[in-house]
Amino acid sequence: GQNIDQPTEMTATEGAIVQINCTYQTSGFNGLFWYQQHAGEAPTFLSYNVLDGLEEKGRFSSFLSRSKGYSYLLLKELQMKDSASYLCAVRRQAGNMLTFGGGTRLMVKP
Amino acid sequence: EAGVAQSPRYKIIEKRQSVAFWCNPISGHATLYWYQQILGQGPKLLIQFQNNGVVDDSQLPKDRFSAERLKGVDSTLKIQPAKLEDSAVYLCASTLLGGFSYNEQFFGPGTRLTVL
Repeated sequence: GQNIDQPTEMTATEGAIVQINCTYQTSGFNGLFWYQQHAGEAPTFLSYNVLDGLEEKGRFSSFLSRSKGYSYLLLKELQMKDSASYLCAVRRQAGNMLTFGGGTRLMVKP
Repeated sequence: EAGVAQSPRYKIIEKRQSVAFWCNPISGHATLYWYQQILGQGPKLLIQFQNNGVVDDSQLPKDRFSAERLKGVDSTLKIQPAKLEDSAVYLCASTLLGGFSYNEQFFGPGTRLTVL
C-alpha cells in the first residue's frame, strides 16, 4: 500500500519563501509529482522528481530524498496568485498510476 | 492543443438515481484516468485505461460504478444507483503513454456531482 502525508494548511506572506513537505511510504517507487490546484479548478503539473536532488523551475523548486521517503516543494517570491492547494503524488513502479496526498492549502497574505 | 474535455460541469441528483459523466482526452493520448476528489481531499484513482483496455480498476466500487472506453478515445463513467457519499468532483486525466516513462497527467476541469 501507499501512505502520503503533507500538512493540511499553511499561511505565508507575499514576497516570502515557503516550503511544503511531503513524506511517503510506498512499495515500488517510480517518481514523485507536485501539482497545483486552485479552488474549483483542475490540478496542473508543477514538477517531477525521480532521482534524489533538487529540480528548479523558476520560482518553484522540488526536492526528493528516496532513502528518507521525503520531498518538498519550495515556492520563492510568493505572489497572491500562489494561494492554492498543492498536491504531492507518488507513482508506483508498475504503470503510470498516481496516488495523491490530501493536499496542502496555502494561503498567501499581503 | 485542446485540453481534456469533460461534461457536464455540474450535476445534482437525488440518491438512488443514475448519472453518467463523459470525458474526451487530449488527441493521441493513449492512457485515460478517472479520479474521484472529495472536498478537502486529494484525488483518488478509480480506473485507468490504456487505449480501450482496463489497466487498473482496483479502487472502483464495481457494485455501483462502471466505466468504458469502447473505441479507445472518449470515456464514460456511470454511477447507478448514487449514494450521498458519491458527492465529489470527478476528474478525468490523460497521458500520451502509460508505463515507466515520464508522463505528466493532464487533467480536465472535472464534473462536480452533488447527491441529495
